[in-house]
Formats: sequence, structure tokens, C-alpha cells
Amino acid sequence: GDSVTQMEGPVTLSEEAFLTINCTYTATGYPSLFWYVQYPGEGLQLLLKATKADDKGSNKGFEATYRKETTSFHLEKGSVQVSDSAVYFCALSGTGTASKLTFGTGTRLQVTL
Amino acid sequence: DAMVIQNPRYQVTQFGKPVTLSCSQTLNHNVMYWYQQKSSQAPKLLFHYYDKDFNNEADTPDNFQSRRPNTSFCFLDIRSPGLGDAAMYLCATSRRTPQGDTQYFGPGTRLTVL
Repeated sequence: GDSVTQMEGPVTLSEEAFLTINCTYTATGYPSLFWYVQYPGEGLQLLLKATKADDKGSNKGFEATYRKETTSFHLEKGSVQVSDSAVYFCALSGTGTASKLTFGTGTRLQVTL
Repeated sequence: DAMVIQNPRYQVTQFGKPVTLSCSQTLNHNVMYWYQQKSSQAPKLLFHYYDKDFNNEADTPDNFQSRRPNTSFCFLDIRSPGLGDAAMYLCATSRRTPQGDTQYFGPGTRLTVL
């Protein structure tokens, strides 16, 4: 079945550091790929998405590129801020059944001054 | 702004006392989902409605039920909450298209069971 593997957290960075959170997936066909962000006590917010190979999703300085050859969708940001501290979930939505989301385990990011 | 709204944001109930959580949406999406999220875990899908068609996940306990009286509203009923049902409950919506869909989440309801 479909699965998503993302790097273990927590990730602790200083403000203005470069961020990479790795995400790889296993799926049949051509899934859509997503990054969601969850701030403490809140629901999930869609951060960015990509629906086909080589697509780049971007939002609020975050980027991720759909790499079919490496089955990856790594999240990057050039300069993180304290306000980026949150849990980040990589997810895929497979083709066919019900567009269900398969989530990774989540990566907690802590940004310090 | 179009959005997904959940009420209440915080709900406290007693062990075994039925509770209902509410979700509404102004996005006019045809699919509505309910997830359970426990601390430090990814959300777990309980069930979803595609229009009026109800789709239950195989491992969702019978204690959890749902109703969707119209396009805009969906309810989660927990018939006899146990201590293990304390969690964040997330509602999400999407518009199903042949190209796939994107889920949008509400802010969640934090359920405490005493």
C-alpha cells in the first residue's frame, strides 16, 4: 500500500538558517503530494502541493519539488523564522480510491533566536 | 473567506456520556472527512462522506458515528466516550474531481474525557 516516510524530529534551527525536511513516498501510479503545517493547538493548514512529476509547489518561502525518479518531495526554506516553529506533515493522495491522504509521522521544527 | 468551521473548539465530557462535534463549510465541497489525532501523531481517518455516501474506515470503532444532513454540515457522534477517545478531532473537506482533490482542514475540536 501507499506510505510516506519523513525525517524524524525534532529539528532545531537558529533563525535565518536553511531548512530541509526530507520526505519520500511509496505509491502506485501518480499520486499528488502535499505538505501540511500544524501550529500548536490548531488544525492542519495546507502549505503547498504538487500534482505531477517535476512540479514545484511553493508558498510563504517554502518549496518542494515532486521527484518521481527518487520518489521524494523534500521541503525547503532558505531562511526560517521563529514563527515557522510547528509540526510539518508530508502526505500523498493516491489515484483511484477516494483520494485518501496517507501521512508521514510529522516533523517538529523548533526555530530559536 | 470560505472556510471550514468546527464547534466547539474545546469539549469536555464525562466517561460514557454521548457527545457531538460539529463541522460546517462554506467551500461547497462534496466530500467531508473526520480525523482523530492523538498527541504527537499523524491524523487518522475515521470516515468520510462523498455527497451523501458514507464511507467508514475498517478499523473505526462502532462507538463513532457520523451524520451529514446537508452539503454544508457534518457531525461526529461519540456514543460512549472512553478515556482513550480523548484527542483532537479534525474535520476536512475537498472537492472530488477526476484530477484528484485537495483536503482543507478546520481548526479542530480538542476533546477531553473525564
